[in-house]
Amino acid sequence: SQTIHQWPATLVQPVGSPLSLECTVEGTSNPNLYWYRQAAGRGLQLLFYSVGIGQISSEVPQNLSASRPQDRQFILSSKKLLLSDSGFYLCAWSVGGTGFFYGYTFGSGTRLTVV
Amino acid sequence: QKEVEQNSGPLSVPEGAIASLNCTYSDRGSQSFFWYRQYSGKSPELIMSIYSNGDKEDGRFTAQLNKASQYVSLLIRDSQPSDSATYLCAVRPNFGNEKLTFGTGTRLTIIP
Repeated sequence: SQTIHQWPATLVQPVGSPLSLECTVEGTSNPNLYWYRQAAGRGLQLLFYSVGIGQISSEVPQNLSASRPQDRQFILSSKKLLLSDSGFYLCAWSVGGTGFFYGYTFGSGTRLTVV
Repeated sequence: QKEVEQNSGPLSVPEGAIASLNCTYSDRGSQSFFWYRQYSGKSPELIMSIYSNGDKEDGRFTAQLNKASQYVSLLIRDSQPSDSATYLCAVRPNFGNEKLTFGTGTRLTIIP
């Protein structure tokens, strides 16, 4: 069966510090991968979307970036965090290619507080 | 801008009653529809998907889709306190586009 791992679970970082969040998927090949952010009391905002290694689509201009160095690994990064980057970061995967789309499976999330 | 709208609630329902959650979407070409449950502090969990007009039942949950009216609903029968959560409606715009658009969610509270 497929599983998605996301870490760390919580993170407190000072303004201006770097960020690296990692997500890995097991039990599937060539998944579509997503990074979402959920600010307190707000909806899910799609940040990045990837259909394959090195293929990243950015949905919202900001000081965040994403990379996909391996088929089942997705990394969210920032060089300098802002207070507005605080939120609940969620990685998700879906079946890639021409497979039937069953929706997303989310990781357990990272709660980031920028202080 | 493609939108998905939900009543933010909170929606309070007595234990044992039917909870009805509604969602409307703006893109008439949308193809697939999903309901996610999110407990406080946790990540969303997929509970129902529906792809064609009509009803789809899974245990105590029933999803209803009406593409002509552009709405999708979720009914929870015999509501339990464990059903208390935020329910997110998500819409897939069209085939070939796997980027779901989410509503802001409806917070449901089941009153014992």
